[in-house]
Amino acid sequence: DIQMTQSPSSLSASVGDSVTITCRASQSISDYLNWYQKKPGKAPNLLIHDASSLQSGVPSRFSGSGSGTDFTLTISSLQPEDFATYYCQQSYSIPYTFGQGTKLEIK
Amino acid sequence: QEQLVESGGGVVQPGRSLRLSCAASGFTFSSYGMHWVRQAPGKGLEWLAVIWSDGSNIYYGDSVKGRFSISRDNSGNTLYLQMDRLRVEDTAFYYCARSVDFGAGTCDYWGQGALVTVSS
Repeated sequence: DIQMTQSPSSLSASVGDSVTITCRASQSISDYLNWYQKKPGKAPNLLIHDASSLQSGVPSRFSGSGSGTDFTLTISSLQPEDFATYYCQQSYSIPYTFGQGTKLEIK
Repeated sequence: QEQLVESGGGVVQPGRSLRLSCAASGFTFSSYGMHWVRQAPGKGLEWLAVIWSDGSNIYYGDSVKGRFSISRDNSGNTLYLQMDRLRVEDTAFYYCARSVDFGAGTCDYWGQGALVTVSS
């Protein structure tokens, strides 16, 4: 199975800041990498698919990059609604494993 | 618009069975693969299973293989998860999700989740 490792596990930031979350795969997954946002009591929300493609309806302050084993999610100009937990997921091979999550908190 | 609604959650004793349903609407259900994903209290997301759009292929994660069974009724626009030999560690919110393709791993629409509590 492919292991997905996110860093950091948590971070604090202020409204207006820019933050970057990284995700590393245990083997090359090309660009088969997704990012989801998860808020308590809500369903996960697909933000980025195929490493860098913005899902329809997602604000442009979210962006993704990377290929192979190393990937990043960047959120520019943080908004209050962006404070949540973020998960990467590889869609290269079954089982479609998730990272452990990165909790983004308000400073 | 696309909608997924889970049902069937509840409290069940260890070793017993439970079946979750996921009713789909707003899209052509038979054209999309479907997934089950769960989140245990205080834990991250865990992928559980996928079924191809036509039901021709089914795959499971290691933690539920042999105990859980995914199935679908394309005529009734419903996805199922049969959970047998439940364990305390299966306590979680269970989400159904639509694949962007016949069986791809990317999930673009999700239900709100059904809570399953396994406790004696």
